[in-house]
Amino acid sequence: QVQLVQSGAEVKKPGSSVRVSCKASGGTFSNYAFTWVRQAPGQGLEWMAGIMYVFATPSYAQKFQGRVTITADESTNTAYMDLSSLRSEDTAMYYCATERWGGLHRGEVDSWGQGTLVTVSS
Amino acid sequence: AIQLTQSPSSLSASVGDRVTIACRASQGVSPSLAWYQQKPGKPPKLLIYDVSTLESGVPPRFSGSGSGTDFTLAISSLQPEDFATYYCQQFDTYPRTFGQGTKVEIK
Repeated sequence: QVQLVQSGAEVKKPGSSVRVSCKASGGTFSNYAFTWVRQAPGQGLEWMAGIMYVFATPSYAQKFQGRVTITADESTNTAYMDLSSLRSEDTAMYYCATERWGGLHRGEVDSWGQGTLVTVSS
Repeated sequence: AIQLTQSPSSLSASVGDRVTIACRASQGVSPSLAWYQQKPGKPPKLLIYDVSTLESGVPPRFSGSGSGTDFTLAISSLQPEDFATYYCQQFDTYPRTFGQGTKVEIK
């Protein structure tokens, strides 16, 4: 199972951007299928973006199209999620996770980071 | 995007009760349907994938069933540690989607 360690909490002003990092260990980085999920306070899970493997084309939820970008750096085994034009409604816990592929597995999420709290406030 | 609708949104139950949670998809997703358990302040935990396959280490009181667009998570005998929020998720297509969650509370 992959171990994922995310960057620390952030406080941002409305209109600014945030970058959340996710360092992975325990497997072959280029084979990881990263997914990003957020959870506003007291709310449910919201899928934001995902990438099948490091060099694939990312997929984004329509709600975040144009504001979110996910990337991965194989040299540091780290994935990143950039979210721009922040507003108060973006205040949430952001999770990095990986899907499990190969053999009988076709994409269930089996590893999660600890979460990064992003607070947007003036 | 495929929409997942869970019911009920919350339920109250006692230790030892049998509990079922439903998840309906706006189009077929079989067999790419998973269930997760989340406790406050923690990331979700995978319980079941491919509709009915129990994740390693998950107690057998949890089970999943269904096909096509209608799925069910069942807990045969609710234990104190099972009080949590449960989510279904489809991983058949991008974008992935989650149900809105079902909170299981102590009666």
